[in-house]
Amino acid sequence: DGGITQSPKYLFRKEGQNVTLSCEQNLNHDAMYWYRQDPGQGLRLIYYSQIVNDFQKGDIAEGYSVSREKKESFPLTVTSAQKNPTAFYLCASSASLSQRHGYTFGSGTRLTVV
Amino acid sequence: QKEVEQDPGPLSVPEGAIVSLNCTYSNSAFQYFMWYRQYSRKGPELLMYTYSSGNKEDGRFTAQVDKSSKYISLFIRDSQPSDSATYLCAMSPELNNDMRFGAGTRLTVKP
Repeated sequence: DGGITQSPKYLFRKEGQNVTLSCEQNLNHDAMYWYRQDPGQGLRLIYYSQIVNDFQKGDIAEGYSVSREKKESFPLTVTSAQKNPTAFYLCASSASLSQRHGYTFGSGTRLTVV
Repeated sequence: QKEVEQDPGPLSVPEGAIVSLNCTYSNSAFQYFMWYRQYSRKGPELLMYTYSSGNKEDGRFTAQVDKSSKYISLFIRDSQPSDSATYLCAMSPELNNDMRFGAGTRLTVKP
């Protein structure tokens, strides 16, 4: 079955440490996205990528970085510059040239600062 | 003012009740409207999709869009305990582009 795999499911980060969240999809989707979800707030877009080797900042990109070297993979690095990184992170993808509407989401990574 | 407003609840109803979930929005450019269901500690899954104004029905679920009022609704008939989840509305001006999400309404259906 096609889908999006996020790993790890839970991640703990020490102060001043960079961590990388993995996102892999086998849906052959062109576009991929990273969202952050906090209680009481909607999903907020961190970064997105429409094609390989290209990505754009979303609404809250500060303190985060991404790469898109392969169509299937879109890892997110949470850097030490992100002052409040504790959140639930969701990766999504969409077939931008398809008539299928909506995003497919992974199961998320819960990041906690310790 | 947020671009998409959604009452976070929580909303608790007895099994078999009709549930009404709503969102309002401010951007008149939105054309595509979606509802996602998110179970605890999982990613959202697409439940319903509507283009422009009108109604769409899928089993026990009905989505309504009123663009003149900038108001969208999701109705769940004969609600079941398995419907207990957080429901997020989402909308975008173009297909799969620049999608904006509501905060989500947490629903509990009690047996």
